[in-house]
Amino acid sequence: ETGVTQTPRHLVMGMTNKKSLKCEQHLGHNAMYWYKQSAKKPLELMFVYSLEERVENNSVPSRFSPECPNSSHLFLHLHTLQPEDSALYLCASSLSRRDTEAFFGQGTRLTVV
Amino acid sequence: TQLLEQSPQFLSIQEGENLTVYCNSSSVFSSLQWYRQEPGEGPVLLVTVVTGGEVKKLKRLTFQFGDARKDSSLHITAAQPGDTGLYLCAGTPGYSTLTFGKGTMLLVSP
Repeated sequence: ETGVTQTPRHLVMGMTNKKSLKCEQHLGHNAMYWYKQSAKKPLELMFVYSLEERVENNSVPSRFSPECPNSSHLFLHLHTLQPEDSALYLCASSLSRRDTEAFFGQGTRLTVV
Repeated sequence: TQLLEQSPQFLSIQEGENLTVYCNSSSVFSSLQWYRQEPGEGPVLLVTVVTGGEVKKLKRLTFQFGDARKDSSLHITAAQPGDTGLYLCAGTPGYSTLTFGKGTMLLVSP
């Protein structure tokens, strides 16, 4: 139990679908992150939220839309994805944005068909 | 260019063997972390090293941070099948956001 929970664990969606990934942490952390993990690539940072404010957006296509309604919850809204977007999407949190120790959820394995 | 280079990319050994994996960079890091990721799961933090030359031990795992704070190594003594997983190093060059290497996939066979 890492304290960071992601749902769903697995998701298969068509290219015209709209779906959302959910992340929840009750560690009292103020920073939350979305990472993408593809085969043979390092973890790619997508978005960073600090105190519910987006502070970093690493050139992520607009078909990925994050939302952070409060410091405990983070969403990633997906629409009109491409097959190459299939990957493991990981949520993480840390005490603050400058804290280097991240706690990860178990991830959502996304397959776009 | 990868900021953090990990080697080897893949390592397959027998139970009881010793091994060392490496994490190298040309940049100076304020700290480095090591994570282990099992298939289908998220990475789990093993250790953080902060001081150049620092050595930390976690049971059979020994972590070392280079004197110049540009590299780190992880040594496992008497590996066990439960050590199987992807070992990731990560760090923050300067005060930027956490950056990960591609990882070393370790397979320990009984």
